[in-house]
Amino acid sequence: SQQGEEDPQALSIQEGENATMNCSYKTSINNLQWYRQNSGRGLVHLILIRSNEREKHSGRLRVTLDTSKKSSSLLITASRAADTASYFCATDETSGSRLTFGEGTQLTVNP
Amino acid sequence: DVKVTQSSRYLVKRTGEKVFLECVQDMDHENMFWYRQDPGLGLRLIYFSYDVKMKEKGDIPEGYSVSREKKERFSLILESASTNQTSMYLCASSFLGGGAWETQYFGPGTRLLVL
Repeated sequence: SQQGEEDPQALSIQEGENATMNCSYKTSINNLQWYRQNSGRGLVHLILIRSNEREKHSGRLRVTLDTSKKSSSLLITASRAADTASYFCATDETSGSRLTFGEGTQLTVNP
Repeated sequence: DVKVTQSSRYLVKRTGEKVFLECVQDMDHENMFWYRQDPGLGLRLIYFSYDVKMKEKGDIPEGYSVSREKKERFSLILESASTNQTSMYLCASSFLGGGAWETQYFGPGTRLLVL
């Protein structure tokens, strides 16, 4: 069954705007990870946030985690055309035996 | 930087052929994974391995087998390729976390077309 579900499925914004993507999950987790995938390529790890953390930053990326709501958000500030990609959340369930990926949000940043 | 390489970017095979997809990582990672990615279905885990000669079934192992004879190399084998195995195949590796699944490093992917 799908653990992480991203929302929205697709997002189109103008360069310079902020992009926010959300991920919801169903069970307790050890950590939640965000990955990026450019078209036709492999996934690239962006950020890992552990269950006892609430917020993490990396450059223009900000990830929040709310374990009470079982949700996370990825914020990309001052977006660039090069940020156009699919973004996936992946959850490490405490009772699970693998990392479970959502179906992704397709972000398009228009120049 | 961690590097995960896959033997082919694109592959075209005929139904019934035996297909080998090779993956090599250079970071001494214990864990290695094979996923397939299809539109609307996301990433699905086929097999993973946490040590040499060890393997665990993922969510969709049917029609596939794997081999891990050396720590750095993890092979995915399609014993008799079928058209429904046309897909993007992604290999990944990670350190063995202390009870948690850590960051996975992905290869560039192999797009397989079975005719």
